[in-house]
Amino acid sequence: DAGVIQSPRHEVTEMGQEVTLRCKPISGHDYLFWYRQTMMRGLELLIYFNNNVPIDDSGMPEDRFSAKMPNASFSTLKIQPSEPRDSAVYFCASSPSGADKNIQYFGAGTRLSVL
Amino acid sequence: GENVEQHPSTLSVQEGDSAVIKCTYSDSASNYFPWYKQELGKRPQLIIDIRSNVGEKKDQRIAVTLNKTAKHFSLHITETQPEDSAVYFCAATDSWGKLQFGAGTQVVVTP
Repeated sequence: DAGVIQSPRHEVTEMGQEVTLRCKPISGHDYLFWYRQTMMRGLELLIYFNNNVPIDDSGMPEDRFSAKMPNASFSTLKIQPSEPRDSAVYFCASSPSGADKNIQYFGAGTRLSVL
Repeated sequence: GENVEQHPSTLSVQEGDSAVIKCTYSDSASNYFPWYKQELGKRPQLIIDIRSNVGEKKDQRIAVTLNKTAKHFSLHITETQPEDSAVYFCAATDSWGKLQFGAGTQVVVTP
C-alpha cells in the first residue's frame, strides 16, 4: 500500500481565498483523522471520521473549516475564507478497526501558507 | 479530557549515550500509549507503542515503560546515533479513544 496520500504537498494562497486539502486513507482503514500542526499549538486533532461518518469535530477551530468524507477512499478539509493564522501543516491520518484501531498512520502533510 | 505532558522539551546527548523522555497523562481510562518520531519536514512515524496491560516493551535500541499507577510512561533510546535526531511525541488515548499528543521533545545527538 502507498500509505496515506495527501495533496497538495504545499499550498500558498492569499487571505480570503478558499483552500481545499485532500486525503486518501490506507485501503481498508475505517478511521480517518485531520490534524493541524503549528509551533505554538503542536499537533491538534481537528476532526475524525469512522466509516465515512464524522464522529467528533470539536477540534475544528471555527465555521470557516469544514470536512467531508464522501466515500471510504477520499476526504477533504476546506477552509473558506482562509486567514493568515490558518498557516500550518495539515496532516491526515488513518487507522484500522479492531485491535489495532488506535495505531494511526500519517500522510506526508500539506504545508499551507496564507499570505 | 485527557491531558498529556511531556518533558523535556529539548534534549541534547552525545552520540552513544542514552536519551530518556518522560510523559504523564491524566485520564486513568487511557489504555494505549504510542511514541512517534518526526524528522524535520516529515510526517510523524510510529516507532513503538505500549498497551496498558504491559509494563515494558523493547525494540532494539528503543524501549518504553509504563507505570499505570503513577500515570506516566517513558521512552528510552540507548546507544544514540545522529539519525536519532528528531522531534519525539508521546500520546495517550482519551476515554473516547482519541489520541492526545504531548508537546514534543527535540532530541539532538551530537557526534
